[in-house]
Amino acid sequence: EPEVTQTPSHQVTQMGQEVILRCVPISNHLYFYWYRQILGQKVEFLVSFYNNEISEKSEIFDDQFSVERPDGSNFTLKIRSTKLEDSAMYFCASSGDRTYEQYFGPGTRLTVT
Amino acid sequence: SQELEQSPQSLIVQEGKNLTINCTSSKTLYGLYWYKQKYGEGLIFLMMLQKGGEEKSHEKITAKLDEKKQQSSLHITASQPSHAGIYLCGADKGNAGNMLTFGGGTRLMVKP
Repeated sequence: EPEVTQTPSHQVTQMGQEVILRCVPISNHLYFYWYRQILGQKVEFLVSFYNNEISEKSEIFDDQFSVERPDGSNFTLKIRSTKLEDSAMYFCASSGDRTYEQYFGPGTRLTVT
Repeated sequence: SQELEQSPQSLIVQEGKNLTINCTSSKTLYGLYWYKQKYGEGLIFLMMLQKGGEEKSHEKITAKLDEKKQQSSLHITASQPSHAGIYLCGADKGNAGNMLTFGGGTRLMVKP
């Protein structure tokens, strides 16, 4: 069964460093998303991506964040200068054109020290 | 912005018992999603409801959407330890590719 994959599973970085989180969405899906979940809190939407551009983004997704689909399979989230409060589980999700169901990856746990 | 409130926040049931989790929205519900999450892991898609009165089942889990009440319920029949986890409801705005807004989750423990 097709699934969303994410790498790495855990990333530790120092404050101020850049990180890139990687995702491989389900192959025939057209919509891609990033969400995050700070420990003990709700899952929060960051950004959605369709047809090679951002279709929607939240207030969290400021200039420090960017997304890219560098090739036909990968979808990345870059945080330019990490802050302590960026520590969270980051989830990638994808959905198809005809069905709305969003399928989530296993997440990348980002720890900023 | 839309807010989703889940109740109860946590639930402990004896194996074999039935249980219901509710998700109430502050705004009109269009697409309502149910996910299961094990602690520290990803979200597993359970089912999605789009129409008022719609009811879907997967194995021993049934979800219903009450558009008028802006509410959805998730019912588990004859609970098993494998049902333990955090159940999350999420809502979209009715169009493909919309962001999901999530509730705070219901933590379910099933005692053998």
